[in-house]
Amino acid sequence: KQEVTQIPAALSVPEGENLVLNCSFTDSAIYNLQWFRQDPGKGLTSLLLIQSSQREQTSGRLNASLDKSSGRSTLYIAASQPGDSATYLCAVTGGGADGLTFGKGTHLIIQP
Amino acid sequence: SQTIHQWPATLVQPVGSPLSLECTVEGTSNPNLYWYRQAAGRGLQLLFYSVGIGQISSEVPQNLSASRPQDRQFILSSKKLLLSDSGFYLCAWSRWVDTQYFGPGTRLTVL
Repeated sequence: KQEVTQIPAALSVPEGENLVLNCSFTDSAIYNLQWFRQDPGKGLTSLLLIQSSQREQTSGRLNASLDKSSGRSTLYIAASQPGDSATYLCAVTGGGADGLTFGKGTHLIIQP
Repeated sequence: SQTIHQWPATLVQPVGSPLSLECTVEGTSNPNLYWYRQAAGRGLQLLFYSVGIGQISSEVPQNLSASRPQDRQFILSSKKLLLSDSGFYLCAWSRWVDTQYFGPGTRLTVL
């Protein structure tokens, strides 16, 4: 059974810092990995999707990397802003119509 | 563009009462549809998924059921709610193994 772990569970940093969120998964036979953002009481917003054949994806100040063989992914946020404060979730899927297996998330606070 | 709707947004129900949550998708056809639950202190858990009308797969044994009466409509139901059914319910859609897109969610409190 696939398990996804995210470290740290919570993170508070001053505005402007670059930061890294970590995600690990136990079964390397994944089809893709997604990073999501969740604001309090809201649904999920997809940030980046990395196919299993890819090493990284970038969108603006966000960069996600994937090391499938070691079961790890990182989300790099450059020049953090207070608006980046949210919970960041990592999820993997095995393919087909499979649903996503999620980690418990990293609760991020960017201090102005 | 595609849009996903969920209602109601919030719901407070007594233990033992029935439940019906609805999810609809606009702007696409034959989507894969999913129900997830986010309980306090726990991660998002997949409850059901559907690849077509009348086709439902359940991931975990539970007090809930799902139905897909139309191509873009997904319903989550219960005959008798339990306290443990409280949580934030999210519906999502995707095109096969593409990105999953989530709805705004329904906050269910069972008292």
